[in-house]
Amino acid sequence: GAVVSQHPSRVICKSGTSVKIECRSLDFQATTMFWYRQFPKQSLMLMATSNEGSKATYEQGVEKDKFLINHASLTLSTLTVTSAHPEDSSFYICSARDPQQGAGNSPLHFGNGTRLTVT
Amino acid sequence: AQTVTQSQPEMSVQEAETVTLSCTYDTSESDYYLFWYKQPPSRQMILVIRQEAYKQQNATENRFSVNFQKAAKSFSLKISDSQLGDAAMYFCAHKAAGNKLTFGGGTRVLVKP
Repeated sequence: GAVVSQHPSRVICKSGTSVKIECRSLDFQATTMFWYRQFPKQSLMLMATSNEGSKATYEQGVEKDKFLINHASLTLSTLTVTSAHPEDSSFYICSARDPQQGAGNSPLHFGNGTRLTVT
Repeated sequence: AQTVTQSQPEMSVQEAETVTLSCTYDTSESDYYLFWYKQPPSRQMILVIRQEAYKQQNATENRFSVNFQKAAKSFSLKISDSQLGDAAMYFCAHKAAGNKLTFGGGTRVLVKP
């Protein structure tokens, strides 16, 4: 079945540095990918929609200059957390839909997530 | 904008018994889809069951079934014959046009042996 790979699974960085998280669709092409953020014991909150070949669409309240999204190919989207601060520590999850599975009720496939800790 | 509400932060069930998780949603869309996802401690999101809003028949997947009440905007999940492996966070989700998923706050299911 469709698989989405996310890397790294865990990352620890120092405050002020930048971190890049990769999301790959392994056996399908995804023109659209989604980035979510999940704080401990909370739900997933959509941060942005990554569009291949064009600018990402950010949800209200998400700083586009801080969370840079690049979707340069049909199988790869990256999320870069720039100038990270401790409050950016969270669990980040990407997802994508396999267009070959049809529209509508075809589920989103999720990566395994990245736990970011900013010290 | 869509909203999804799960009113039960935590539910406990005895092994082999049945538990029902509630979910209500609000949407102005006429065509949409509803999902239940399971998130075990590994935090991998696993699709449990899905429902198309235009279908009146409730979806069923083995021990998992839903009670979809469109007029009431309710989408509850029933887990029958609960197993220890069912212990996880369960998220109700709504998807309209554009493939954006809106999640509820989640319900933690505890299974007692």
